Amino acid sequence: GNSVTQMEGPVTLSEEAFLTINCTYTATGYPSLFWYVQYPGEGLQLLLKATKADDKGSNKGFEATYRKETTSFHLEKGSVQVSDSAVYFCAPPSNSGYALNFGKGTSLLVTP
Amino acid sequence: GAGVSQTPSNKVTEKGKYVELRCDPISGHTALYWYRQSLGQGPEFLIYFQGTGAADDSGLPNDRFFAVRPEGSVSTLKIQRTERGDSAVYLCASSLGRSNTGELFFGEGSRLTVL
Repeated sequence: GNSVTQMEGPVTLSEEAFLTINCTYTATGYPSLFWYVQYPGEGLQLLLKATKADDKGSNKGFEATYRKETTSFHLEKGSVQVSDSAVYFCAPPSNSGYALNFGKGTSLLVTP
Repeated sequence: GAGVSQTPSNKVTEKGKYVELRCDPISGHTALYWYRQSLGQGPEFLIYFQGTGAADDSGLPNDRFFAVRPEGSVSTLKIQRTERGDSAVYLCASSLGRSNTGELFFGEGSRLTVL
């Protein structure tokens, strides 16, 4: 099935620092791509998505651009906040298209 | 309820016992997924239902695992002869359609501990 390689954590940043979490994937065709986030004590939730090549998904100050040339979907935020502390998962669809394949997750800790 | 509901939230059992985990999806969502998440890992796909039928069960690790969704709403994941390696958080998600077009809504999971 489609596989995903995600930057390993944990990542520790000071408030207002710049964040990049790398994600590369293998896929059949050009599927939609997703980033999910898991805040402490909460369930997984969609952070952002991009539905086609060169599309940019954005939400809560986070952005990710669908790069078909490099098969990458890196997550970025210009100025992180303490409330962004969470685990982030890159998730392309499986080959069947019925499910998502999740990366191992990158734990982010933002300190004041 | 408004979201995906999973019960129990915690289950401790002994090796060899039988376990059932329940998922109540968001009303109107035809697609339902089960995932398993071990400590420090991402969610691992187990099975996908479209309506009452299992459209993709390729992620079930072996025949001790089985899932049903008899009326196209609530689903039950069943694990026979549990092993210590089955200890994990079992996540359920639902969506309006196929995941490659829409968003998955996850429950908070059922934490299974096999002693």
